[in-house]
Amino acid sequence: DAKTTQPTSMDCAEGRAANLPCNHSTISGNEYVYWYRQIHSQGPQYIIHGLKNNETNEMASLIITEDRKSSTLILPHATLRDTAVYYCIVRLRSGNTPLVFGKGTRLSVIA
Amino acid sequence: DAGVTQSPTHLIKTRGQHVTLRCSPISGHKSVSWYQQVLGQGPQFIFQYYEKEERGRGNFPDRFSARQFPNYSSELNVNALLLGDSALYLCASSLGPSSTDTQYFGPGTRLTVL
Repeated sequence: DAKTTQPTSMDCAEGRAANLPCNHSTISGNEYVYWYRQIHSQGPQYIIHGLKNNETNEMASLIITEDRKSSTLILPHATLRDTAVYYCIVRLRSGNTPLVFGKGTRLSVIA
Repeated sequence: DAGVTQSPTHLIKTRGQHVTLRCSPISGHKSVSWYQQVLGQGPQFIFQYYEKEERGRGNFPDRFSARQFPNYSSELNVNALLLGDSALYLCASSLGPSSTDTQYFGPGTRLTVL
C-alpha cells in the first residue's frame, strides 16, 4: 500500500503557482520522496525527488518539511499542459524496491 | 535521445488468449520494470529485470511472466487472459536495479480483453 496521502483533486489558475501537498507521516530516514505525473492515458513522467533538502529543477521545486512528514510540489507558473494526475511516492533508498503508486492528485489548470 | 518505447500501442484480445508486450529501454539503461494500471488506479508493480535476471516480482499470478534480452529489451507475457487483465501496461527503464536509480516510463500498451 502507498505510504502517502494526497488530496483527490485541486484546481489552479493558469499562470499561477500550483502547490501540491503530500503527507508521508511514517516516512523513515532511509526513504526518498518522489513525484511523478501522468497526463491522460500517457506513461508517468518523472518530475523530481529528494531526501531531506529542498530540490529544484527545470520542472518544479520540492519542499520537504524539517520533520520530513510532509512535502509540497510547486509548479511555479502552471500552464494548461500541466493538467495531470500527480503522484507522491515514498521509496526506500537502499535495495531495489519498486515504485508504489497511490491514487494521486488530479490537478486541473484553468484558463 | 529516444525514450522508452513500447509496442504495440493498443491491443484487443479475447478471454483465454495469450499476449506478448514489448519494451525497449532508454539507451544505456540495463534495468526494466513492468507495471499494470487499471482504470482509475495508480500503476501496480509486476516485475523488475536487470541483466536478464528477475530482480523483483509483485503480487501477480503465474499467468504473468517476463524476460529480458541481451540488448536489455524486455517482453511481458500474459497467458489465459481474463477480462480483469484489461489495463494499461507500462514499462519503465533505469540505469540499474537500485532504488537510487530513477525509473523513466514509456507510453504504455493499452490491452483490452473481450
